[in-house]
Amino acid sequence: QSVLTQPPSVSGAPGQRVTISCIGTSSNIGAGYDVHWYQQLPGTAPKLLIFGNNNRPSGVPDRFSVSKSGTSASLAISGLQAEDEADYYCQSYDRGLSGWVFGGGTKLTV
Amino acid sequence: EVQLVESGGGLVQPGGSLRLSCAASGFTFSSFNMNWVRQAPGKGLEWVSYISSSSSAIYYTDSVKGRFTISRDNAKDSLYLQMNSLTDEDTAVYYCARESQRTGYLADYWGQGTLVAVSS
Repeated sequence: QSVLTQPPSVSGAPGQRVTISCIGTSSNIGAGYDVHWYQQLPGTAPKLLIFGNNNRPSGVPDRFSVSKSGTSASLAISGLQAEDEADYYCQSYDRGLSGWVFGGGTKLTV
Repeated sequence: EVQLVESGGGLVQPGGSLRLSCAASGFTFSSFNMNWVRQAPGKGLEWVSYISSSSSAIYYTDSVKGRFTISRDNAKDSLYLQMNSLTDEDTAVYYCARESQRTGYLADYWGQGTLVAVSS
């Protein structure tokens, strides 16, 4: 059971927009800690996708955006492309656990 | 180019031990906090352990406390995870991950992972 809660799967047609939610608690997201998102392509290591308030590492398109409110956050992907098909994980810090916490991951099907 | 290369994984019997290593290059290893994160087959990511840049602060997830020991050798640009009393629930790909200096509390680089399989 992951500390952060994500839907197991989402899907969308090419060009459409999808969102992935991430629900936490008052010990992590609700405590003000930033939420970060990782993309994991099949058979590869996770890669940082977007962090904090819509900060993207070099090479990540602005089709990816995030929002945060209270104890939850969400990742939005617009203009879906086949290459976006992957697992997406949200992550934050938990002050009670003194460590990183992850969502269970969401499989995106395009 | 930042590189993190894990090694030391393999097949081990329940109750056995393994020592994972992570060789870092392309950055000043001694300036960065490091973490181990694991992923059981077909499952999500799970944070395992954290060590600060100077080894002054160390944390573990509850399920590995007393069994796993994280350490680092800044002179060798290497991170380690000593795993004892292994159970089948420890079967996973183990990733070393660098914590971002800019933001903190996130992994800005990951290794490719090393598979630990606990089975009789």
